[in-house]
Amino acid sequence: SQQGEEDPQALSIQEGENATMNCSYKTSINNLQWYRQNSGRGLVHLILIRSNEREKHSGRLRVTLDTSKKSSSLLITASRAADTASYFCATDADYGQNFVFGPGTRLSVLP
Amino acid sequence: DTGVSQDPRHKITKRGQNVTFRCDPISEHNRLYWYRQTLGQGPEFLTYFQNEAQLEKSRLLSDRFSAERPKGSFSTLEIQRTEQGDSAMYLCASSPGQVVYGYTFGSGTRLTVV
Repeated sequence: SQQGEEDPQALSIQEGENATMNCSYKTSINNLQWYRQNSGRGLVHLILIRSNEREKHSGRLRVTLDTSKKSSSLLITASRAADTASYFCATDADYGQNFVFGPGTRLSVLP
Repeated sequence: DTGVSQDPRHKITKRGQNVTFRCDPISEHNRLYWYRQTLGQGPEFLTYFQNEAQLEKSRLLSDRFSAERPKGSFSTLEIQRTEQGDSAMYLCASSPGQVVYGYTFGSGTRLTVV
């Protein structure tokens, strides 16, 4: 079963706009990760945020984590056509060593 | 090291046949994971190795699926008596001991069972 659930399922924006994707999860976590996947390719690790962190930045990416609401958001600022991809959040099960992925948000950035 | 390699990239097989996929992780990574992904969905965990030991298996991994990682290097995933429902992208990922570095994924093997 999936631990995380991204929202929205699909998002279409113009180049230069900001894109925000959300992830909600059900049980307590130690870490939450965000990944990007271009069509037909493997996943690329973007950022990891620990349960005791509230916000992390990496270039044009900003990730927040609210453990009280069991939710995280990924903000991509000044989007580019090359950001067109699916974005997944992944949470570690509270007992296992593996990460559980949500169904993803499909982002389209129009030139 | 050029990352995680998976072979083959594509595999078409007839129902009932056996298939085997290979994954070569990043050499310094002692953890190796297999995931399965169907169209429009996120990856689903199948199994995980630390060095040569298979430490965790998903309930999704039926008796027809077996994975090995001899000598803690490359890994193979075999599916016996394939079914149409096995059609998916099979992804391999590796990581160093600490999870904070995230996973490095390969490009996957796309299996089509006809």
